[in-house]
Amino acid sequence: NAGVTQTPKFQVLKTGQSMTLQCAQDMNHNSMYWYRQDPGMGLRLIYYSASEGTTDKGEVPNGYNVSRLNKREFSLRLESAAPSQTSVYFCASNKDAPYEQYFGPGTRLTVT
Amino acid sequence: KNQVEQSPQSLIILEGKNCTLQCNYTVSPFSNLRWYKQDTGRGPVSLTIMTFSENTKSNGRYTATLDADTKQSSLHITASQLSDSASYICVVSAGQDTGNQFYFGTGTSLTVIP
Repeated sequence: NAGVTQTPKFQVLKTGQSMTLQCAQDMNHNSMYWYRQDPGMGLRLIYYSASEGTTDKGEVPNGYNVSRLNKREFSLRLESAAPSQTSVYFCASNKDAPYEQYFGPGTRLTVT
Repeated sequence: KNQVEQSPQSLIILEGKNCTLQCNYTVSPFSNLRWYKQDTGRGPVSLTIMTFSENTKSNGRYTATLDADTKQSSLHITASQLSDSASYICVVSAGQDTGNQFYFGTGTSLTVIP
């Protein structure tokens, strides 16, 4: 049981490049999330998926797209990376009540 | 405005000492409150979850309290260890626990020194 896995762990992009962050969970959770974490700020929700086939915007969705490929996988895509997207990205999933969230190890992204 | 505020921002304590971290929130309607521990370079890991009716919950040397009337929570760490050095994040859920109703504090950075 690996929990929540994310790839890659580290990535450096040039402004304008695109990339996809991958996330998978093996806990049969319905809900999955993408967050970004910046120094001095709390985790901020980018997108979430309450179930397979559905996605919704969070607090900071601009510049990102997501795909809920199946129940296990939820990917985050940056179509044209900007320096403001330099951050640590966390994927999370949660089971039903009491809705405890499980986080992946994070992807550290630098955009130059 | 729904907000979660944590204090202090950072804390340094000697190994073996106790400490208490604070979380004040204005989230409504309240569903539950969680404390997470985040080691440097890792994802957050849940320590405790408390619903409206619970006012104390323990997990080993970690004890969380909740006062739903004053909208305050605390995390007490007993007999601290070097491995307790981490960021501690308070998260409050509103309503139905849907994805856009989790409110995160900015965390308290705890450093335990020998």
